[in-house]
Amino acid sequence: GIQVEQSPPDLILQEGANSTLRCNFSDSVNNLQWFHQNPWGQLINLFYIPSGTKQNGRLSATTVATERYSLLYISSSQTTDSGVYFCAVEYNTNAGKSTFGDGTTLTVKP
Amino acid sequence: DADVTQTPRNRITKTGKRIMLECSQTKGHDRMYWYRQDPGLGLRLIYYSFDVKDINKGEISDGYSVSRQAQAKFSLSLESAIPNQTALYFCATSDFTQGELFFGEGSRLTVL
Repeated sequence: GIQVEQSPPDLILQEGANSTLRCNFSDSVNNLQWFHQNPWGQLINLFYIPSGTKQNGRLSATTVATERYSLLYISSSQTTDSGVYFCAVEYNTNAGKSTFGDGTTLTVKP
Repeated sequence: DADVTQTPRNRITKTGKRIMLECSQTKGHDRMYWYRQDPGLGLRLIYYSFDVKDINKGEISDGYSVSRQAQAKFSLSLESAIPNQTALYFCATSDFTQGELFFGEGSRLTVL
């Protein structure tokens, strides 16, 4: 069935460290998004990236659609980066509906 | 003001009560969605609507109903709330040409 797998499930970093979060998906996709859920529960759009590479400040993302994975890079992490990072995928066979992974919980310690 | 607004933001209710969560958007998007989030898990789709006359069940629609009153308004109802419906509920919108999702701030529902 439709699957979105995120790894690692949990990640603890010291402030200033870099990290890579991974999202694996099981079929061809129309869309892929990365979100950050802050400690107050709000979902913040990070990247809309069905393919290719994008950068926004300290964050960047790469999706390799042919190999069915996406990576989110966080450089020089800050305590405000803490929270849960979700990958959401819209499969070609399920157009208009996005399936979420279970997220990676990131804790950045001062 | 937020582009996607959910009300109420927090609600505590009792088993058996009827509850309605409302969502309105100013983004002009055709598509609207209701998702549910349980602790430690990702979001799961309850219902979705591609336009005012098109409403579809998602993966966890049992115990829920929806109404698309206008392009900008999409409400979720729990006809008889039960404790395992305690969760964080999100409304989202997207444009049919691109598909990027935009979320409201969430409605935290507790059923006692």
